[in-house]
Amino acid sequence: EAGVTQSPTHLIKTRGQQATLRCSPISGHTSVYWYQQALGLGLQFLLWYDEGEERNRGNFPPRFSGRQFPNYSSELNVNALELEDSALYLCASSLGLAANNEQFFGPGTRLTVL
Amino acid sequence: EDQVTQSPEALRLQEGESSSLNCSYTVSGLRGLFWYRQDPGKGPEFLFTLYSAGEEKEKERLKATLTKKESFLHITAPKPEDSATYLCAGGANAGKSTFGDGTTLTVKP
Repeated sequence: EAGVTQSPTHLIKTRGQQATLRCSPISGHTSVYWYQQALGLGLQFLLWYDEGEERNRGNFPPRFSGRQFPNYSSELNVNALELEDSALYLCASSLGLAANNEQFFGPGTRLTVL
Repeated sequence: EDQVTQSPEALRLQEGESSSLNCSYTVSGLRGLFWYRQDPGKGPEFLFTLYSAGEEKEKERLKATLTKKESFLHITAPKPEDSATYLCAGGANAGKSTFGDGTTLTVKP
């Protein structure tokens, strides 16, 4: 069974640009979560999507946004990039609202903002 | 506010030297306490879910236990390949999991 996949693996942008990160969940999973992990720091919750709807968001500015498609894949958009947005962005999936919230992670996208 | 605190931040062990990692939590509406292993630059790998106080789960050299305020990850006779950062997370309602900052374990041969 295929795990969570993310693309691209690495992304280099300059300040002020926009970045788009993509995630495909495990087959059968309807929930997708996004986390930011800055170097040497813990995981910070960004967004949670389930059945195409944004269900919850963490304490991040509105320039962090995303969506979930009918096939449950998701993308994270970061507008007006700042240097401090450089981090590993992790996507996770789970069985959704009725489940125990057990999340399975992808390999991440390393975003570097110059 | 939900909080998960892991200790110690870093732990160095000799191969075969058993020890425990601690995870203290205050999570409203806790649905599960999760343990993950993360290697540098990679996504966390799921290890265990614990649902209620008194529950224990084992996988190879790892055993996770849960009380009403803490969880422990016991590592028995560790090997160098067990070196990684171990993350603890409290899963709550509304889909949000609160992660601790992790314990970085180094096992020397």
